[in-house]
Amino acid sequence: AQTVTQSQPEMSVQEAETVTLSCTYDTSESDYYLFWYKQPPSRQMILVIRQEAYKQQNATENRFSVNFQKAAKSFSLKISDSQLGDAAMYFCAYTWAQGGSEKLVFGKGTKLTVNP
Amino acid sequence: ETGVTQTPRHLVMGMTNKKSLKCEQHLGHNAMYWYKQSAKKPLELMFVYNFKEQTENNSVPSRFSPECPNSSHLFLHLHTLQPEDSALYLCASSQYIAGGAKNIQYFGAGTRLSVL
Repeated sequence: AQTVTQSQPEMSVQEAETVTLSCTYDTSESDYYLFWYKQPPSRQMILVIRQEAYKQQNATENRFSVNFQKAAKSFSLKISDSQLGDAAMYFCAYTWAQGGSEKLVFGKGTKLTVNP
Repeated sequence: ETGVTQTPRHLVMGMTNKKSLKCEQHLGHNAMYWYKQSAKKPLELMFVYNFKEQTENNSVPSRFSPECPNSSHLFLHLHTLQPEDSALYLCASSQYIAGGAKNIQYFGAGTRLSVL
């Protein structure tokens, strides 16, 4: 069964510092994508970054980058120069195509607090 | 704003009521999804529609009845719910392309449902 595990229920970081959120997943699929979504108090789930499993190069989006270790099935998110607006729930997610639809499996989330 | 609009934002209903949740996407996507988000649990996929056809029902009780009249609209009809059905219900859409798990799902802000 495909599962996503986020072992840190809560994390905190000082403004302008760097924080890393961890995620591991379990799959037997070869073609899949990994995502980090952010859910602020407004509840809107927003895509932060995605990684294609067949690409070895780690994805980067401005201050957000991932460390994708395919053999270890690890997909951590690094937030550099943290800002107050980064405070939110962060969800790691995995998707693969099966039976004519795409399934998105989420972890339980990590609540990130940014301290001024 | 992600292009996916959900109404209402909040809903309180009794166990004998019948109500409906609405989702509309303005992104030209061909796939739509319903998720349930409960406290301290991962998001759970409920239903998937591709090209208006239901392709996934994740063992959801029959008191939840989805409807997809066209690719832009998705409804979740609710009747005789239980208090444990209280949760945030999220709608998402994506442009599904067969043959690979490529597509980003865009989420609405959800409907917070309370069943009394």
